[in-house]
Amino acid sequence: DQQVKQNSPSLSVQEGRISILNCDYTNSMFDYFLWYKKYPAEGPTFLISISSIKDKNEDGRFTVFLNKSAKHLSLHIVPSQPGDSAVYFCAADGGYQKVTFGTGTKLQVIP
Amino acid sequence: NAGVTQTPKFQVLKTGQSMTLQCAQDMNHEYMSWYRQDPGMGLRLIHYSVGAGITDQGEVPNGYNVSRSTTEDFPLRLLSAAPSQTSVYFCASRRTTYEKLFFGSGTQLSVL
Repeated sequence: DQQVKQNSPSLSVQEGRISILNCDYTNSMFDYFLWYKKYPAEGPTFLISISSIKDKNEDGRFTVFLNKSAKHLSLHIVPSQPGDSAVYFCAADGGYQKVTFGTGTKLQVIP
Repeated sequence: NAGVTQTPKFQVLKTGQSMTLQCAQDMNHEYMSWYRQDPGMGLRLIHYSVGAGITDQGEVPNGYNVSRSTTEDFPLRLLSAAPSQTSVYFCASRRTTYEKLFFGSGTQLSVL
């Protein structure tokens, strides 16, 4: 039972354009969400997070949007850069110390 | 400040062999966890610990044992390796709930 889903395994975007990565969840007990970025042969690194009391959080080029009623979140990267090419994981935290990750989306930013 | 340190980086085992993947953190984090990453499956939680002496199962615990005798260390044991355990393993830690996880650089394990 996949509680956190990233339905797009891959995404290609031109440099300078917007990248939108999507994530859906099924468990209404999740109330804190995180995005991680992973390069090959490295561990995931934290990008940005959002609490369920907010619907938007920004950090530089990265913005996360949360739609609680739809159980959907998205990560926007503007403008996209070649160094953003990586696998992106969304994750959900229900406050019981288990953090559940999605399957990941591989982003390729084309110069 | 080293963060989360995993050893070894690479390991090849034969079916039936045992081994321990080491994980240590120097951030005084109470929460530690082990994930495995497989193609198309994302990161799946194996076991986690909320403090010394306290461990619990994640999504895919079968074939793995853990213990937490100190705050710093959280080793993952494979008692009898199987080819299905071929994967990349990540250890992660965080101070408390609703905070970000810090990951190690991973252990790539192949079981032949």
